Amino acid sequence: DAKTTQPNSMESNEEEPVHLPCNHSTISGTDYIHWYRQLPSQGPEYVIHGLTSNVNNRMASLAIAEDRKSSTLILHRATLRDAAVYYCILRDDTGNQFYFGTGTSLTVIP
Amino acid sequence: ETGVTQTPRHLVMGMTNKKSLKCEQHLGHNAMYWYKQSAKKPLELMFVYSLEERVENNSVPSRFSPECPNSSHLFLHLHTLQPEDSALYLCASSQVSRGYEKLFFGSGTQLSVL
Repeated sequence: DAKTTQPNSMESNEEEPVHLPCNHSTISGTDYIHWYRQLPSQGPEYVIHGLTSNVNNRMASLAIAEDRKSSTLILHRATLRDAAVYYCILRDDTGNQFYFGTGTSLTVIP
Repeated sequence: ETGVTQTPRHLVMGMTNKKSLKCEQHLGHNAMYWYKQSAKKPLELMFVYSLEERVENNSVPSRFSPECPNSSHLFLHLHTLQPEDSALYLCASSQVSRGYEKLFFGSGTQLSVL
């Protein structure tokens, strides 16, 4: 399973944008980049995924570097409910399983 | 009901007990997963069932025994557990596809082994 590297923790002020980085220098051409988050006392939930192009959905945006060796999850206006652990995961198209790392713990300051 | 439901939410058991965790998904998915999350550690993938067949078993001790009677239900049978097995056990489901499938998790069972 390809590895990802994320900062252990980050802080953001409420209502400001948050940029959560992820490095995946060993990514292969068929790896999809997935992001999940885990709120306190809950199971992880899907946030967004992409392959090569930047992606937007109602929760967040995903910016993928041109060489695909890094990506950034963007929360446009952080709220207190966005405080969670955010996981960046690579998954190829052969159906390998979802392996989670330690993620980034995001603290949102009121 | 919608999504992935796990019962019980909390479980306390002694080392000689036998108990089972239950997971049910109402999403029409064809794959189900068990993950273990110990305090301050990453999620560990334990078992994967795809189309009701076990396709992954990540060196999990035999005191954990999964069962998938159909595509909607998944069990984790527990016997003679150790205190270090205390953790949050998470069930997930997905519709198998190439690379872009999404996992849907339940809220987990918080297990304490005394």
